[in-house]
Amino acid sequence: NAGVTQTPKFQVLKTGQSMTLQCAQDMNHEYMSWYRQDPGMGLRLIHYSVGAGITDQGEVPNGYNVSRSTTEDFPLRLLSAAPSQTSVYFCASSYSGQAHEQYFGPGTRLTVT
Amino acid sequence: GNSVTQMEGPVTLSEEAFLTINCTYTATGYPSLFWYVQYPGEGLQLLLKATKADDKGSNKGFEATYRKETTSFHLEKGSVQVSDSAVYFCALSGGGADGLTFGKGTHLIIQP
Repeated sequence: NAGVTQTPKFQVLKTGQSMTLQCAQDMNHEYMSWYRQDPGMGLRLIHYSVGAGITDQGEVPNGYNVSRSTTEDFPLRLLSAAPSQTSVYFCASSYSGQAHEQYFGPGTRLTVT
Repeated sequence: GNSVTQMEGPVTLSEEAFLTINCTYTATGYPSLFWYVQYPGEGLQLLLKATKADDKGSNKGFEATYRKETTSFHLEKGSVQVSDSAVYFCALSGGGADGLTFGKGTHLIIQP
């Protein structure tokens, strides 16, 4: 049981490039979410999904897209990276359709130059 | 909307000292409250939780009591160890699907 896995662990992008951060969980959790962590800001919700085929926006969705074609996977896409997207990104999942008691992945540290 | 306020630190203590990290919240209804811990280079791990007023969550010597009258969920430990050095996040869930609301995190440093 691997829990929540994220790839890559580190990534450097140039402004305007696109990329996908991968997230997968093997706990059969319905709920999955993406957060970004910035110094002095805590964690802020980007997008979330309450089940396959259903996604919704969080607090800071601009510049990011998500999809949920399977229960296991919840990729986060940056279509045109900007320096303001330099951050550490965490994927999380939980048992129910509600947000509480989430399990977090190890994070992806992204730098946009 | 929901919000969580916690002391940011860094908080520096000597080993075996008593720890308190304050956390207060603003929320409608009856949120669930959590403390998460993040060790260097790792993701967040759930440390403890409380889902209703007067509940006490506890784990690994840490505890916190859900105080509705003071809208607080302070984290305490009687005797800290160097291995407790980490960043601690207070968080709440309003019960809906729109994610956890986090405080900004408290960096705890325990010196031998």
